[in-house]
Amino acid sequence: QSALTQPASVSGSPGQSITISCTGTNSDIGASNYVSWYQQHPGKVPKLMISEVSNRPSGVSDRFSASKSGNTASLTISGLQAEDEADYYCCSGSPYVFATGTRVTVL
Amino acid sequence: QVQLIQSGAEVKKPGASVRVSCKASGYTFTGHYMHWLRQAPGQGLEYMGQINVKNGNTGYVQKFQGRVTMARDTSVNTVYLELSRLTSDDTAVYYCVREGFLPPNRHTQDFDHWGQGTLVTVSS
Repeated sequence: QSALTQPASVSGSPGQSITISCTGTNSDIGASNYVSWYQQHPGKVPKLMISEVSNRPSGVSDRFSASKSGNTASLTISGLQAEDEADYYCCSGSPYVFATGTRVTVL
Repeated sequence: QVQLIQSGAEVKKPGASVRVSCKASGYTFTGHYMHWLRQAPGQGLEYMGQINVKNGNTGYVQKFQGRVTMARDTSVNTVYLELSRLTSDDTAVYYCVREGFLPPNRHTQDFDHWGQGTLVTVSS
């Protein structure tokens, strides 16, 4: 199972919106209703941000939204804040495969 | 509250085996699948496999077949990862993670709670 593909880095200014893409195939992203997204600050444990393509777990800011179209899932962060600077990973459900990760920088 | 507490850091020589434990609390232990992931230094997340805590059934990524064992002990709410024939490529932080579950019977195929991570260093 090959890793899903994300851009290595995405940046934006405070208040802006950014979108991170996660591209797979019709064997993973394209076939799954179980795409999840994780945020990881440097040296910290990853945190679930999005479940089942577009559901936000309790406690996750509504500035985070996600969707899927075909073989590509997307995570959008609206109203970018300094605290959003982190690595973000998407993951396709069983068989589980993670993407390469995207470093989000707040300019 | 849900807690997953992992055992401490390990240093192993190439060819050795390592066992990492993960003690769960704050929820019904047998109600959730558990998974193991790892993250090499400066790298992304890598999925290793899962265990059905209720019946002990396991499923491993092909890459680790033959040298990984996942087990659970329901009497102490603990899952275990054992990895054998270690090489320097196995140097990583290993995470136990809980899969989400929505009653009455939907496993959400995501990882809603994470252990703190266990650093395994393989070095001669």
